[in-house]
Amino acid sequence: RKEVEQDPGPFNVPEGATVAFNCTYSNSASQSFFWYRQDCRKEPKLLMSVYSSGNEDGRFTAQLNRASQYISLLIRDSKLSDSATYLCVVNMRASSNTGKLIFGQGTTLQVKP
Amino acid sequence: GAVVSQHPSRVICKSGTSVKIECRSLDFQATTMFWYRQFPKKSLMLMATSNEGSKATYEQGVEKDKFLINHASLTLSTLTVTSAHPEDSSFYICSARDFKRGGSGELFFGEGSRLTVL
Repeated sequence: RKEVEQDPGPFNVPEGATVAFNCTYSNSASQSFFWYRQDCRKEPKLLMSVYSSGNEDGRFTAQLNRASQYISLLIRDSKLSDSATYLCVVNMRASSNTGKLIFGQGTTLQVKP
Repeated sequence: GAVVSQHPSRVICKSGTSVKIECRSLDFQATTMFWYRQFPKKSLMLMATSNEGSKATYEQGVEKDKFLINHASLTLSTLTVTSAHPEDSSFYICSARDFKRGGSGELFFGEGSRLTVL
């Protein structure tokens, strides 16, 4: 079983749609969680951290379910510019000081006009 | 602007040659840098942790003699792919943590280096 699993997609949605991605992790000791965005042939960039209570940043909402060991990302009112691959990232340390992040395969989103 | 710079962004080389990739932290010091590798449509795989002034820590399955890492200063780490083979063709990305910009030390990535071995 992979340490971090994501549905690779692609998810094809029209502009304005709401789309949700899920990610599961295998290690129950994992403590910090992130969503990164990666554009084609570019480096990953931090989209948002995921907190236990759930957190929101504009159109993006992240949720964590420790009991079921999954993380979700919800994107509302999709824009064309949201088209990218979204990487679920997990670390066993709370502050990820080691930087030894485990990356999921990524979920590809294509927003169509 | 970029906080981690990587060079070269693309390199094509012949089998058997060695290729050096540089990773620089801009306007911050990084005692630790990380090297990842990514195959098409696959996740980033941590190869090694580069430690300034000491030996790198390699992940299981990564050949130390194949992928030489040097972290000679607080702003520069290099990855050398020695005796490159076509199967080494991949996207190599470095990262470093800037504690000034992010309280928890956000991890920033270099632009990546796409290596093609003929």
